[in-house]
Amino acid sequence: QKEVEQNSGPLSVPEGAIASLNCTYSDRGSQSFFWYRQYSGKSPELIMSIYSNGDKEDGRFTAQLNKASQYVSLLIRDSQPSDSATYLCAVMKGNAGNMLTFGGGTRLMVKP
Amino acid sequence: SQTIHQWPATLVQPVGSPLSLECTVEGTSNPNLYWYRQAAGRGLQLLFYSVGIGQISSEVPQNLSASRPQDRQFILSSKKLLLSDSGFYLCAWNQGTGIEKLFFGSGTQLSVL
Repeated sequence: QKEVEQNSGPLSVPEGAIASLNCTYSDRGSQSFFWYRQYSGKSPELIMSIYSNGDKEDGRFTAQLNKASQYVSLLIRDSQPSDSATYLCAVMKGNAGNMLTFGGGTRLMVKP
Repeated sequence: SQTIHQWPATLVQPVGSPLSLECTVEGTSNPNLYWYRQAAGRGLQLLFYSVGIGQISSEVPQNLSASRPQDRQFILSSKKLLLSDSGFYLCAWNQGTGIEKLFFGSGTQLSVL
């Protein structure tokens, strides 16, 4: 079992729809969770962080965390073609210092 | 504000040649520094991390090495590149104070031919 798992996609949604990206993790002691956006050929860019159960909203983005189910998700409302990218889920394990473990990423395609 | 610089942006090297990639961070002191590699269409693989000058931890044994000669400088090296060393190399930093947000440099696309 991979430590952080994501569906590789591609996830295709029409412009204006809600894109839902999911991530599961194996270490119950994980403390911090992050979503990064990576455009092709570019470096990852941090877009959301979440540390406690529930929802966290920032503009069109909502991160959701459920530690009991070891599940974290990212919702993108009113999806735009410019949101087309690979979204990486990253998890800091409880005993890993300050190091993050990344999932393989989900490729999102928003079609006009 | 803090910035991270990484160079070169692209590099084409023959098999067996040496490698040196450099990364510097500005606007902070004593950062944690990291080297990641991303193969085409794959996730990020942590190669090395450093919590201070001269302190290097390796996550994946291979023909690469890292050094931290100064507080905000991190260097990735190889004496002889392999075809399998091709990939997108990313330097990253965080402050290591309990807030683990990781910030990446612009990356180096390395092609070994």
